[in-house]
Amino acid sequence: EPEVTQTPSHQVTQMGQEVILRCVPISNHLYFYWYRQILGQKVEFLVSFYNNEISEKSEIFDDQFSVERPDGSNFTLKIRSTKLEDSAMYFCASHTGPSNSPLHFGNGTRLTVT
Amino acid sequence: AQSVAQPEDQVNVAEGNPLTVKCTYSVSGNPYLFWYVQYPNRGLQFLLKYITGDNLVKGSYGFEAEFNKSQTSFHLKKPSALVSDSALYFCAVRDMAGGGNKLTFGTGTQLKVEL
Repeated sequence: EPEVTQTPSHQVTQMGQEVILRCVPISNHLYFYWYRQILGQKVEFLVSFYNNEISEKSEIFDDQFSVERPDGSNFTLKIRSTKLEDSAMYFCASHTGPSNSPLHFGNGTRLTVT
Repeated sequence: AQSVAQPEDQVNVAEGNPLTVKCTYSVSGNPYLFWYVQYPNRGLQFLLKYITGDNLVKGSYGFEAEFNKSQTSFHLKKPSALVSDSALYFCAVRDMAGGGNKLTFGTGTQLKVEL
């Protein structure tokens, strides 16, 4: 069964540094998402992406965050200047598009900001 | 705005007993409802969904959920729990009236099944 894959599985960075989290969604999926989860608790929506543009974003997704689909297969989340509170698990998800279709999640990238 | 509430942080049940994990939702229009399970250090795995039709939906691993419109609930159930069901369970909703395609998740319920 096709999977959403995320790399790296764990990223450690210093405060103020830029990080890029990478995702390869399932190949026939059209909608892409980033979520984050702090300390194994609530799963929070960050951003959705469709047709090469952001379709929706939350208040968490401020100017420090950006997303890109650079080559038709990868989907990246960039944090320009990381803060301690950005430490979390970041999950990429995708789905085919009909609103009744479930999201398929990757295994996540654990980001630790020191 | 769409929201989900999972009132129990943790549910403990003995193996072989039935289990229920509670979920209530709030939406402007009609809801699409989902249950996901998360094992340690893994992503969220889809269990089941309610879109329309029969209020009782069946999903993976013997789980089912009952949609109750009047109580705005979508409780997850299983007739006979297994130790391997121990995990973190998330309810999620998609509001068909202007909620976009994003899912909004509850805070999660840790299910612990003991021998």
